Amino acid sequence: DSGVTQTPKHLITATGQRVTLRCSPRSGDLSVYWYQQSLDQGLQFLIQYYNGEERAKGNILERFSAQQFPDLHSELNLSSLELGDSALYFCASSEQGHNSYEQYFGPGTRLTVT
Amino acid sequence: GQQLNQSPQSMFIQEGEDVSMNCTSSSIFNTWLWYKQDPGEGPVLLIALYKAGELTSNGRLTAQFGITRKDSFLNISASIPSDVGIYFCAGSNYGGSQGNLIFGKGTKLSVKP
Repeated sequence: DSGVTQTPKHLITATGQRVTLRCSPRSGDLSVYWYQQSLDQGLQFLIQYYNGEERAKGNILERFSAQQFPDLHSELNLSSLELGDSALYFCASSEQGHNSYEQYFGPGTRLTVT
Repeated sequence: GQQLNQSPQSMFIQEGEDVSMNCTSSSIFNTWLWYKQDPGEGPVLLIALYKAGELTSNGRLTAQFGITRKDSFLNISASIPSDVGIYFCAGSNYGGSQGNLIFGKGTKLSVKP
């Protein structure tokens, strides 16, 4: 158990809908990262938040957005969903200091868009 | 952007055999990490490497940070059935307040008892 929690575990929705994925980082970790894992693209970085502020952005679509709240949990919002958005979505967190490169992943949310 | 080439893509081995896999990059990294992912689960951090030439062990796993900083290797000795899974290398040039990991495509390991 990494200490990172994600809900829900599974999500099935229709094209055009909007969903929210939730992540709670390990206790004390300030950074939260979101990744998308699909069969053809592998693990792709989407976005990072550090102590409530956006710090780095990857290949995140404009239809996707995220935020980190004062209690450090984070939400990833996916809107106008398309079939191609079906994937595993992982949240990871890291601590400060020397070990900040080490990211610990949650169990993921499997999103299926039908 | 930066890309990681991980090989082999898959391996089928007998229990007890040693395993080697590697990762190469077109550019340098300051940190290499190795993760293992079981089906339907999140990646689990196995080993983190911070220094060129560094050799680090975690039980039967040994990983090395290449001298050129463009490659890394993972060895598993005396494999057992629970070693089955997908192994990912990841590189990073940043930590802490700004940074993300670049992942390889993974090596799928199958172990025959």
